[in-house]
Amino acid sequence: DVKVTQSSRYLVKRTGEKVFLECVQDMDHENMFWYRQDPGLGLRLIYFSYDVKMKEKGDIPEGYSVSREKKERFSLILESASTNQTSMYLCASSPQLATDTQYFGPGTRLTVL
Amino acid sequence: DAKTTQPTSMDCAEGRAANLPCNHSTISGNEYVYWYRQIHSQGPQYIIHGLKNNETNEMASLIITEDRKSSTLILPHATLRDTAVYYCIVRSAIYNQGGKLIFGQGTELSVKP
Repeated sequence: DVKVTQSSRYLVKRTGEKVFLECVQDMDHENMFWYRQDPGLGLRLIYFSYDVKMKEKGDIPEGYSVSREKKERFSLILESASTNQTSMYLCASSPQLATDTQYFGPGTRLTVL
Repeated sequence: DAKTTQPTSMDCAEGRAANLPCNHSTISGNEYVYWYRQIHSQGPQYIIHGLKNNETNEMASLIITEDRKSSTLILPHATLRDTAVYYCIVRSAIYNQGGKLIFGQGTELSVKP
């Protein structure tokens, strides 16, 4: 079974804080993705990575950065958290091609006060 | 990626088959039909996908019409734990914008005792 884990299920941070969200997959997948999900807006792609140290911007990268130092780990960084970044953050991975089936983690519900 | 249309909500009696329809009349030849579901406050869970032929796995069956303009996800014996939002997604097999998934509004399935 594919296992994608995220460091926290729930997180509360203050405006201006630097926030790290961690994602780990145990299936040796090449591709990893960060999405955010908001009511009425569906899933929106923030960043993705198709290899170690490689990253590509998605649709809404502003205010975020990512890091992929090891194949199994993909981190999302909020440089200076703002209230409009309150959301559900979802990590996913896929085996080889970016068009392969994506498997999701449980999500992190982030609240920025 | 082609647009999909699903009913907003459906009910199903526990133990009965749940049949979830999806229209994708503008689907093109290289686009797959994917189904995911999302239980409240959890990450999306992959269910099944197909191109032309009907598919079955341990979770569900996918029936795709011959003209590929619609499909039906079948949960053969629905349980209370199948209560979730079900998303039908049409997705290109060609690399496109990092292979991002586009979730529509989905069908909220309620399985009742």
